[in-house]
Amino acid sequence: QSMLTQPPSVSAAPGQKVSISCSGTDSDYVSWYQHFPETAPKLLIYANNKRPSGIPDRFSGSERGTPATLVITGLQTADEAVYYCAAWYPTVPAGAFGGGTKVTVL
Amino acid sequence: EAQLVESGGGLVQPGGSLRLSCAASGFSFSDYAMFWVRLAPGRGPEYVSGISSNGGSTYPATSLRDRFIISRDNSKNTLYLQMGSLRPEDSALYYCARGMSYHFYSMDVWGKGTTVSVSS
Repeated sequence: QSMLTQPPSVSAAPGQKVSISCSGTDSDYVSWYQHFPETAPKLLIYANNKRPSGIPDRFSGSERGTPATLVITGLQTADEAVYYCAAWYPTVPAGAFGGGTKVTVL
Repeated sequence: EAQLVESGGGLVQPGGSLRLSCAASGFSFSDYAMFWVRLAPGRGPEYVSGISSNGGSTYPATSLRDRFIISRDNSKNTLYLQMGSLRPEDSALYYCARGMSYHFYSMDVWGKGTTVSVSS
């Protein structure tokens, strides 16, 4: 599997937008997860840019391509978490996760 | 409500073995691919392994395939991870997770995890 690289951290003020990149995603099958301490990761985006039911449209993923990007608009203090990208490699087949990006709301 | 409960973690010496279990409830277990993911302190999640809904195909991480074996018993709604030749760097919180329908590689339900510590 490939290595997936994310920036360690991003920050912005409430109401602003943040973008989190994930390079190394030479895959059509990118997911994004939100992770708070002491809890299990939560699926935010699947198939590059689709949201499971219940996920606000403030969270969006880029179309297929590299780097994959997660965009959070209308940033809220509740969005402070670590965000991980993940990719699936059908030729292996196996998955891989990025190192995570800590989002801080200033 | 779909629920996953992991068990079997604990303290084991280097070189030892451990079998993790994940009991599923609230959904038709045999219809879904399942996965193991681990999370070590200070590190991002690491994909460990996956298995198809009928158990006919497995998807282990290349770096772990020689030591970790995933399996499932659909009659018991249970997922397993047999871990061998354990090393200190295998210490982590091990989660089991369910793959989505149609996009099985995305994990939409997670357990709370079970902790594995490898130390002498």
